[in-house]
Amino acid sequence: LAKTTQPISMDSYEGQEVNITCSHNNIATNDYITWYQQFPSQGPRFIIQGYKTKVTNEVASLFIPADRKSSTLSLPRVSLSDTAVYYCLVGPTGNTPLVFGKGTRLSVIA
Amino acid sequence: DTAVSQTPKYLVTQMGNDKSIKCEQNLGHDTMYWYKQDSKKFLKIMFSYNNKELIINETVPNRFSPKSPDKAHLNLHINSLELGDSAVYFCASSQDRWNRAGEAFFGQGTRLTVV
Repeated sequence: LAKTTQPISMDSYEGQEVNITCSHNNIATNDYITWYQQFPSQGPRFIIQGYKTKVTNEVASLFIPADRKSSTLSLPRVSLSDTAVYYCLVGPTGNTPLVFGKGTRLSVIA
Repeated sequence: DTAVSQTPKYLVTQMGNDKSIKCEQNLGHDTMYWYKQDSKKFLKIMFSYNNKELIINETVPNRFSPKSPDKAHLNLHINSLELGDSAVYFCASSQDRWNRAGEAFFGQGTRLTVV
């Protein structure tokens, strides 16, 4: 399974754009990149998924370079409610479910 | 309507007891999972069922036994509870076996505390 590396924590002020980068050097051809968000005392929630280039939805954008060895989750104009842990996942392969790493703890400050 | 619901939300019990956690999804998904999140916040897959059939069984003590009466339900029974079983247990479901869509829906979790 492709291993992912992302910063343990990040701080940001309200209204700023936040970019969280994830490294996945061993990503396989069939792997997708998926990001989840987890608030305290809640289950993870799907944010966005992509394979290459750029994907955008109402919550975030996902930038994936041509070599796909990394990806960047971009959260526009964060608010206090965006304080959460963000997980980058790569896969799946066959029956193996997505593996959650340590995630990035984002703290948004007023 | 809650997509994936777990009961109970909190569970405090003594060592040695047997307890069950129930999970139901109303999304019509074929695959359901149990994850364990420990005190260090690592989320680890425990089991996965597809159409009531066990497809993934990670290294989990035999004291943990999942049961899927139908594809909308996946319950987790734990025998002889130990202190180390204290964690938050999440149920999740997805349309297929973590297919390319990749989107899984998680329940709110059951915080199990063994004393």
